[in-house]
Amino acid sequence: KAGVTQTPRYLIKTRGQQVTLSCSPISGHRSVSWYQQTPGQGLQFLFEYFSETQRNKGNFPGRFSGRQFSNSRSEMNVSTLELGDSALYLCASSLGGWQETQYFGPGTRLLVL
Amino acid sequence: AQSVTQPDIHITVSEGASLELRCNYSYGATPYLFWYVQSPGQGLQLLLKYFSGDTLVQGIKGFEAEFKRSQSSFNLRKPSVHWSDAAEYFCASPQSGNTPLVFGKGTRLSVIA
Repeated sequence: KAGVTQTPRYLIKTRGQQVTLSCSPISGHRSVSWYQQTPGQGLQFLFEYFSETQRNKGNFPGRFSGRQFSNSRSEMNVSTLELGDSALYLCASSLGGWQETQYFGPGTRLLVL
Repeated sequence: AQSVTQPDIHITVSEGASLELRCNYSYGATPYLFWYVQSPGQGLQLLLKYFSGDTLVQGIKGFEAEFKRSQSSFNLRKPSVHWSDAAEYFCASPQSGNTPLVFGKGTRLSVIA
């Protein structure tokens, strides 16, 4: 079974631009969660989508948004990029129940200049 | 709200030596606890999880963890470390019920010959 895939793997943007990251979950998984990982703050939860609906949301500004499509693929968008948005963005998928194991993708490394 | 603390930022062990990584949690009821590992440039991989029952949990790659309610701990252990175990290890737990995982800050493990 194919794992979680994220595209692109690396991205360089400049301040003020916007970016869209993509995540394809494991086949059959209906939940997709997004995390931001930085050296200073560690792993922080952004949001979770389940069956195309946002089920949970972390404490991030409105510049961070996401969506999920009917095939469970998910995208997250960051508008008006700031230097502090430089991070590794991780996507995780699961069957949907909170006890289910989350399977993580390799991440997208975003550098904002 | 649930939180997890990993007191050790960085640990160095010799190959073949035993390993114990600490994780402390704060929660009223029995928590649900996970250990993940992240190799350089990779996403997170689940090592093991505890929900209830036997307090000694076996995981992949020869790891185990023991839940100790009296000490609010869920420490990860391995009897003999291999060089390939060098990675970052994260303890995690959902805040409550069907909520996202809260991760500890992580412990970076270095293995020396």
